[in-house]
Amino acid sequence: DAGVIQSPRHEVTEMGQEVTLRCKPISGHDYLFWYRQTMMRGLELLIYFNNNVPIDDSGMPEDRFSAKMPNASFSTLKIQPSEPRDSAVYFCASSSSPGQGASEQFFGPGTRLTVL
Amino acid sequence: GENVEQHPSTLSVQEGDSAVIKCTYSDSASNYFPWYKQELGKRPQLIIDIRSNVGEKKDQRIAVTLNKTAKHFSLHITETQPEDSAVYFCAASNQAGGNEKLTFGTGTRLTIIP
Repeated sequence: DAGVIQSPRHEVTEMGQEVTLRCKPISGHDYLFWYRQTMMRGLELLIYFNNNVPIDDSGMPEDRFSAKMPNASFSTLKIQPSEPRDSAVYFCASSSSPGQGASEQFFGPGTRLTVL
Repeated sequence: GENVEQHPSTLSVQEGDSAVIKCTYSDSASNYFPWYKQELGKRPQLIIDIRSNVGEKKDQRIAVTLNKTAKHFSLHITETQPEDSAVYFCAASNQAGGNEKLTFGTGTRLTIIP
């Protein structure tokens, strides 16, 4: 398996532009997570899905952020409009839960977003 | 919600010595405690985890201990090596109802001095 795949790996954009980050989870995993990592705030959970359904979006900072999972093999995180304070590394992770509680979350390589 | 505090934020140890990182959590219902290691520029990766029905777990040079009464857990690395240099994150989760949400600590940057 190729692991969790994220694209793009780096994104530089200007304030006010729309940004779309993409994630392909590990095949067979039924949980998908979006995290944001910054020096100031550490690793924050933004939202997670189970079987393509959003379960907890309490970490989504504001209405400018939205996430979708149209099928089991694809998810997007969109920021519109983007702001300089959105600059961070965004990680997607996936896991499978065999009925015994949380199992290992496998992280993708991350997308480094810079908003100028 | 859950709050996880992690100390110290930075730690330097001589190669071959032991390193200990400590975390406390606030939700007494939390029952799953993983540790992730993140090397510079890389993704976080699970190195060890423990569930609330055990007090200690070991895997070669790393071990995790859990004190449910005090609501704290610790990572112990023995015989440290240069490749142990990384940022380590603790996390906690309440698994009730199929919840998979992890709350992470703020991380500890461990530097092994050759």
